[in-house]
Amino acid sequence: QKEVEQNSGPLSVPEGAIASLNCTYSDRGSQSFFWYRQYSGKSPELIMFIYSNGDKEDGRFTAQLNKASQYVSLLIRDSQPSDSATYLCAATTGGFKTIFGAGTRLFVKA
Amino acid sequence: GAVVSQHPSWVICKSGTSVKIECRSLDFQATTMFWYRQFPKQSLMLMATSNEGSKATYEQGVEKDKFLINHASLTLSTLTVTSAHPEDSSFYICSATEENIQYFGAGTRLSVL
Repeated sequence: QKEVEQNSGPLSVPEGAIASLNCTYSDRGSQSFFWYRQYSGKSPELIMFIYSNGDKEDGRFTAQLNKASQYVSLLIRDSQPSDSATYLCAATTGGFKTIFGAGTRLFVKA
Repeated sequence: GAVVSQHPSWVICKSGTSVKIECRSLDFQATTMFWYRQFPKQSLMLMATSNEGSKATYEQGVEKDKFLINHASLTLSTLTVTSAHPEDSSFYICSATEENIQYFGAGTRLSVL
């Protein structure tokens, strides 16, 4: 079974710190990787996507992909209390099916 | 990014009645849409894949006769929860894919009394 694994957390970081969220995937044929943020009671919203090995930066967010290790991460710099949410990692398999991880809960303490 | 509209956002119904939820892609055409269910503090659970002009593909354990999906156009998919019961109370979320990226609707919170 193709899977996307995340630590459920909660991950707690102080305001202003860097939050590091990690994800591994099992299907080596996966081509596309996504990070979504989901606030309690709301639907997921796309933060970033990454297709190539290396880093991709967008404002305070950096996505990192290492296909050899089947590892995706999301770094949030200068974390704010408003970043407190559940972060979902997703991977699109070679068969174009998107598999979601169960999510990591992040708490940013003011 | 692409916009997916979902309606209604919240519905309360009596046990035994049916509820229809609409999912629309507003600025793009979606041949495939997805329906998820999420219980409190749990992860997304894919219920079915909705394909325009053909039958939906249901995930294992999801009753296709209870959760009717219709994808009659490239911008609209509907999910009908038939003969709803309290255990069907949940947060239902649709999504549509544009250029390999899934965009989510705002979700529908269903409460069955």
